[in-house]
Amino acid sequence: KNEVEQSPQNLTAQEGEFITINCSYSVGISALHWLQQHPGGGIVSLFMLSSGKKKHGRLIATINIQEKHSSLHITASHPRDSAVYICAVTGGATNKLIFGTGTLLAVQP
Amino acid sequence: DGGITQSPKYLFRKEGQNVTLSCEQNLNHDAMYWYRQDPGQGLRLIYYSQIVNDFQKGDIAEGYSVSREKKESFPLTVTSAQKNPTAFYLCASRHAGTPYEQYFGPGTRLTVT
Repeated sequence: KNEVEQSPQNLTAQEGEFITINCSYSVGISALHWLQQHPGGGIVSLFMLSSGKKKHGRLIATINIQEKHSSLHITASHPRDSAVYICAVTGGATNKLIFGTGTLLAVQP
Repeated sequence: DGGITQSPKYLFRKEGQNVTLSCEQNLNHDAMYWYRQDPGQGLRLIYYSQIVNDFQKGDIAEGYSVSREKKESFPLTVTSAQKNPTAFYLCASRHAGTPYEQYFGPGTRLTVT
């Protein structure tokens, strides 16, 4: 079993829909990250959080430390949101990142 | 503009040849990382370096080598000993003052035939 699990693996939405991507982890963490990878491959950090909730524009990330679970929400989704969204956790003595396998999101106009 | 540069974006090599992937950063970051990404799998750590002239193996270091002679540069050599070298390779870096946050480069897609 992977230490970081994401669901769903693939998600297709219509423009304007509210989207939720989930991440569960099984290790002790210092921080949890949500990353965005566009088709070209480059990765951009969206959020880094260790408790509570963060919001940036139409994106909201939440984390529940007790339940070892995080969600990424996208409000009023747009085709330009189409990308792979990756959950990763920083854990262990070396602060290494442990990555989920990603969620491929396609937002159709 | 500060950032991480990886070159080239696409690289093709024949089996049996060593190939070196470039990673340069002008962020004055102390630590640098190399990850490999394969379809359906999360990124996996190949090597990392926390200071110049020092580096450690990650989870999948076999068949790879690195050097860290300058703070700005962390090249990765994919040797002929790497059994499945075709993959997408990502370089990342972080500042010592922000231990949990890594910045990623644009990646190099290596195809070995």
